[in-house]
Amino acid sequence: SQKIEQNSEALNIQEGKTATLTCNYTNYSPAYLQWYRQDPGRGPVFLLLIRENEKEKRKERLKVTFDTTLKQSLFHITASQPADSATYLCARASGSARQLTFGSGTQLTVLP
Amino acid sequence: SQTIHQWPATLVQPVGSPLSLECTVEGTSNPNLYWYRQAAGRGLQLLFYSVGIGQISSEVPQNLSASRPQDRQFILSSKKLLLSDSGFYLCAWNPSDRPYEQYFGPGTRLTVT
Repeated sequence: SQKIEQNSEALNIQEGKTATLTCNYTNYSPAYLQWYRQDPGRGPVFLLLIRENEKEKRKERLKVTFDTTLKQSLFHITASQPADSATYLCARASGSARQLTFGSGTQLTVLP
Repeated sequence: SQTIHQWPATLVQPVGSPLSLECTVEGTSNPNLYWYRQAAGRGLQLLFYSVGIGQISSEVPQNLSASRPQDRQFILSSKKLLLSDSGFYLCAWNPSDRPYEQYFGPGTRLTVT
C-alpha cells in the first residue's frame, strides 16, 4: 500500500537552531508533497508545496527538499523560534480531487 | 478573500443520537470540499470529498454520510453516533488555481458520551 511516514513523533531543539523534519514515502512516487502546520485545537495551515521535479523550495525561514531517489522530503526551519512550536504534517495529494493522505505528524518544540 | 466556516465549534452528544455538522466556504465557486477526522493523538483521516453539488465520494466505510446541497455547503451527518465517532472534524477546500493546496476550517470537536 502507499504510505507516507514521518519518523519522529516529537523533536525538541534550542531556539536559533535549524529544525529538520523528515517525511518518507513508500511504494509510489508522489508528484507533489505538501507541508502543513497544526496548532493544538486548530485546523492545519498550508505552508509549502514541492513538486517532484523541484529539488528545493523556500519561503522565508522555511525550506523543503524533495529527493525522489531516497523517497524523502525534508522540512527545515532556520533560526527557529518558540513560536514555531507546533505539529508539522506532510501530505501527498492523489486522485482527481487531489485528496490528501497525511503523515502522522512531528511535534516540534523550540526551547527558549 | 475566501473563508471557510464550520459549526458548531464543540458538540457533546450521547451514543445513538444523530449528528449534523456544517461547513460553508465564502468567496469562491465550485470548490473541491473535504471532510477529515482527527482522533485524539492520531493523524488526519479523509472521510469524504466532493467535486460538485450532489457528488460525494467516501474514503472510509462507516456510519457517517455527507451531502453537498449547495455549491459552497458541505454537511456531515450520522443517524446514530458511536463512541468511536468522537474526534476533531475538519472541513477543507482547495482553490481551483492551486488545486494541490488545501485550506482548513476551524474544526468541530465532537465528544460522544
